[in-house]
Amino acid sequence: DAGVIQSPRHEVTEMGQEVTLRCKLISGHNSLFWYRQTMMRGLELLIYFNNNVPIDDSGMPEDRFSAKMPNASFSTLKIQPSEPRDSAVYFCASGRGDPGTDTQYFGPGTRLTVL
Amino acid sequence: DQQVKQNSPSLSVQEGRISILNCDYTNSMFDYFLWYKKYPAEGPTFLISISSIKDKNEDGRFTVFLNKSAKHLSLHIVPSQPGDSAVYFCAASGNSGNTGKLIFGQGTTLQVKP
Repeated sequence: DAGVIQSPRHEVTEMGQEVTLRCKLISGHNSLFWYRQTMMRGLELLIYFNNNVPIDDSGMPEDRFSAKMPNASFSTLKIQPSEPRDSAVYFCASGRGDPGTDTQYFGPGTRLTVL
Repeated sequence: DQQVKQNSPSLSVQEGRISILNCDYTNSMFDYFLWYKKYPAEGPTFLISISSIKDKNEDGRFTVFLNKSAKHLSLHIVPSQPGDSAVYFCAASGNSGNTGKLIFGQGTTLQVKP
């Protein structure tokens, strides 16, 4: 059974460019989480969906960030325009059930570098 | 404002010895705590959890201790093995109006030396 799939694994872009990160959930999971990992703040939750509906987007840094879930198995995180401070590793995770207690299954992450 | 803090960025122990990773939290409404382990170039994976109704949970070589009065939890690995070398994240959740989402700490890098 395939785990969470993220693409691309690495992205290098220039400041001002649009960046789109992609995530495919594990089949049968109904919750989707986007996290950002930095040295200073560790893993921060950006947004999470349940049954394709955004439940909590309080972690989204600003309007430059947007996330969508066009269907039950796929999600995108878009940054437009990108800035150097957005450089980080972005993880998506999927799960089923209670987002606070049930195991979340993480993808391998996308390492984003904005020059 | 970090609600979950791992104050030690790194820890180095000898193979066979005990590893103790610490985590502090500030929100008294947290009632569920988890540890995730992360290897380089991989996503975090679930390791062990504990509910606030307990003060200890054990799974093989891994034991998590919870001290609610001190708002502190720790992960003990005994005996430590080189394959345990990874980044360990603690996380907490609770029904405090934050929809039960997980709040993660900054992570502690454990190195187990052969």
